[in-house]
Amino acid sequence: SAVISQKPSRDICQRGTSLTIQCQVDSQVTMMFWYRQQPGQSLTLIATANQGSEATYESGFVIDKFPISRPNLTFSTLTVSNMSPEDSSIYLCSVGQMNTEAFFGQGTRLTVV
Amino acid sequence: SQQGEEDPQALSIQEGENATMNCSYKTSINNLQWYRQNSGRGLVHLILIRSNEREKHSGRLRVTLDTSKKSSSLLITASRAADTASYFCATEAPGTYKYIFGTGTRLKVLA
Repeated sequence: SAVISQKPSRDICQRGTSLTIQCQVDSQVTMMFWYRQQPGQSLTLIATANQGSEATYESGFVIDKFPISRPNLTFSTLTVSNMSPEDSSIYLCSVGQMNTEAFFGQGTRLTVV
Repeated sequence: SQQGEEDPQALSIQEGENATMNCSYKTSINNLQWYRQNSGRGLVHLILIRSNEREKHSGRLRVTLDTSKKSSSLLITASRAADTASYFCATEAPGTYKYIFGTGTRLKVLA
């Protein structure tokens, strides 16, 4: 199993600013992922955070808007850049190994005003 | 993007009744997981079923998987008010490690 700590747990931000979300895992993991959950919706995968190389983004998500860092096997950050109210969502960090349970952080609830 | 769809989108039942939710997906999978989420909080893992398995049980939960139909179902027996939550299926495609979520079912259990 893995314990994931996400910070901040929530934030209210002004439009046009950026927020960096941190994800810390209590053990080394190969794969880390970032998800977005818009109000009343399911989870949508933003990107896979790769250690030592650029993140792999899903269709509809770009690095300029959601830059991701993965400096080591236990830590990653997601930045939401130049925010607008449409970015108000819960952002979740996840880790997993192939064919096993995926673990999730408690999420960061972002409100953009 | 969503890998699959769940139905119904919303379900309201009386306490003590059974609740069945269905998940359909589009591509071949390594496994399928079911999660519960209460009021926008964190995800609680319920069951993982691998592609070579057909049925799994955990307490009041029963999950089936039909890879020929690309579908899974989650049955909650003898439901309780505390089961009120959103339920999501998530699939892992072979070689990808990543999970793609279904659209979810909102379950309301009335006391």
